[in-house]
Amino acid sequence: ELKVEQNPLFLSMQEGKNYTIYCNYSTTSDRLYWYRQDPGKSLESLFVLLSNGAVKQEGRLMASLDTKARLSTLHITAAVHDLSATYFCAVGVGSQGNLIFGKGTKLSVKP
Amino acid sequence: DAGVTQSPTHLIKTRGQQVTLRCSPKSGHDTVSWYQQALGQGPQFIFQYYEEEERQRGNFPDRFSGHQFPNYSSELNVNALLLGDSALYLCASSFYNEQFFGPGTRLTVL
Repeated sequence: ELKVEQNPLFLSMQEGKNYTIYCNYSTTSDRLYWYRQDPGKSLESLFVLLSNGAVKQEGRLMASLDTKARLSTLHITAAVHDLSATYFCAVGVGSQGNLIFGKGTKLSVKP
Repeated sequence: DAGVTQSPTHLIKTRGQQVTLRCSPKSGHDTVSWYQQALGQGPQFIFQYYEEEERQRGNFPDRFSGHQFPNYSSELNVNALLLGDSALYLCASSFYNEQFFGPGTRLTVL
């Protein structure tokens, strides 16, 4: 059974600081997704990583994938309050698109 | 492009009742997946529909069933509701590797 573990589960940061969220998964997959969820809202797609060594950046967020280590990271640079949300990683299962999600990392950025 | 739409937005039911949730996929998307997200948890895969057939199913009981129509829209039906079925139900449509999520239906079972 594929398991996806995120850490930390809770993260309180000061504005301007950097931090990394880690996502480990237990079996082989070539599709790794990062989503953002604001309270009471749906999931917003941030990144889709499809190959070993893939790195994508959008604004203050950068995601990377190491399929050999079964590890993805989401790096936050110079955090701002607007980044406060819950971030989920999800791993694609097989070729059909089913996603297995981690428990999420609740990020709070304080001034 | 309207994106993925879901209805209703909120729903309150009592134990033992039945409920139907609806989803319209993003234009051009032919695959619809349903997820259940309990409070404070990550979404859990219920099932996926493609070409009007259930293609894959997660670890959910038979009380959860679905349907996909020729226009790719989909329904999720839950029978004999339990208190534990209270959750946000998310529909996602996909084409190749990316899944786009709808706004969700918040189901409360009393």
